[in-house]
Amino acid sequence: KQEVTQIPAALSVPEGENLVLNCSFTDSAIYNLQWFRQDHGKGLTSLLLIQSSQREQTSGRLNASLDKSSGRSTLYIAASQPGDSATYLCAVGLRQSKFYFGSGTKLNVKP
Amino acid sequence: ETGVTQSPTHLIKTRGQQVTLRCSSQSGHNTVSWYQQALGQGPQFIFQYYREEENGRGNFPPRFSGLQFPNYSSELNVNALELDDSALYLCASSLATGVIDGELFFGEGSRLTVL
Repeated sequence: KQEVTQIPAALSVPEGENLVLNCSFTDSAIYNLQWFRQDHGKGLTSLLLIQSSQREQTSGRLNASLDKSSGRSTLYIAASQPGDSATYLCAVGLRQSKFYFGSGTKLNVKP
Repeated sequence: ETGVTQSPTHLIKTRGQQVTLRCSSQSGHNTVSWYQQALGQGPQFIFQYYREEENGRGNFPPRFSGLQFPNYSSELNVNALELDDSALYLCASSLATGVIDGELFFGEGSRLTVL
């Protein structure tokens, strides 16, 4: 069974800092990996999708990497802003878009 | 392009009752998945529908059932509600091509409270 772990569970940083969120998974036979953002009590917003054949994806201030062999992914956020405060979820995708989620990292960016 | 929409947004039921949650997929998507998210946890996969057929199920009992319609909208039905069924229920749609597995797009969720 696929287990997905996210570290840290919570993170508080001052505005402007660069930060890294970590995701690890136990079974490297994945099809893709997707990072999401979730604001309190809301649905999930897709940030980045990395296919298993890719090593990284970038969108604006976000960069996600994938190392399948070691079962790890990182989400790098550059120059953090208070509007980045949310819970960030990592999900590993099995065949046909079935995803296993971690419990998330709750990020607070202080002005 | 319309996104994923879910209804109702909030509802309260009592133990033993039945509930139906609805989801309209994003335009052009052929796959819909349902997830349950308990407070402080990540979403848990319930099941997925592809072209109106169940296409995979997570570790949920049979009282959780679903449907997908020809227009790719979907319903999640839960019978004999239990207190632990209180959660945010999320619907996600994607496009499965058989070549590359698609990105998930989520709705805002239906928050169910069971008393």
